[in-house]
Amino acid sequence: EIVLTQSPATLSLSPGERATLSCRASQSVSTLLAWYQHKPGQAPRLLIYDASNRATGIPARFSGSGSGTDFTLSISSLEPEDVAVYYCHQRSSWPQTFGQGTKVEI
Amino acid sequence: QVQLVQSGAELKNPGASVKVSCKASGYTFAAHYVHWVRQAPGQGLEWMGWIYPKTGGTNYVQKFQGRLTMTRDTSISTAYMELNSLTSDDTAVYFCARDSEQYQALNRFDPWGQGTLVTVSS
Repeated sequence: EIVLTQSPATLSLSPGERATLSCRASQSVSTLLAWYQHKPGQAPRLLIYDASNRATGIPARFSGSGSGTDFTLSISSLEPEDVAVYYCHQRSSWPQTFGQGTKVEI
Repeated sequence: QVQLVQSGAELKNPGASVKVSCKASGYTFAAHYVHWVRQAPGQGLEWMGWIYPKTGGTNYVQKFQGRLTMTRDTSISTAYMELNSLTSDDTAVYFCARDSEQYQALNRFDPWGQGTLVTVSS
């Protein structure tokens, strides 16, 4: 199965700073990669699908890029409500897999 | 709005079974695949499989074959996940999630249920 490795494990930033989260796949997933935001006690939320497409209702400060094995989720200007764990997810190969997550804290 | 509401927390003895429900509203239940994903304490997310409510067809990750059953009741727009022969390794929060597109398993999860904590302990 494809292993997704996320880095860093934890990202500590100040409000207004730019956050850059990385996800590396053990083999190519083309652009079949998504990002999910998970806040404690809440349901995870789809942020980005197919590497670079924002899901409905997602603020423009969230953006995704990459293809093949290297992907990035960027938050252009961090807001307090962005505190969460962010997971990447590949649907290129069965079984679909998730990364271990990056915790973003302020 | 589209919503998935799951049943409450469960405490089970080792060797027992658990059945978690996921009630859908705000969309045509039969048209969208429903996936189940779990998260063990301190761990990441693990996809378990899907059910297609229109036909009842299922697809499970091999590690759960033989003890995982997904069913649905279209009359009440509810999907179920039943896991048998529970061990402490099955202690986790279990999520249901709707596939974002109709009539295909695109494997894009939107939205998710709120999660159900299943604790396996004697």
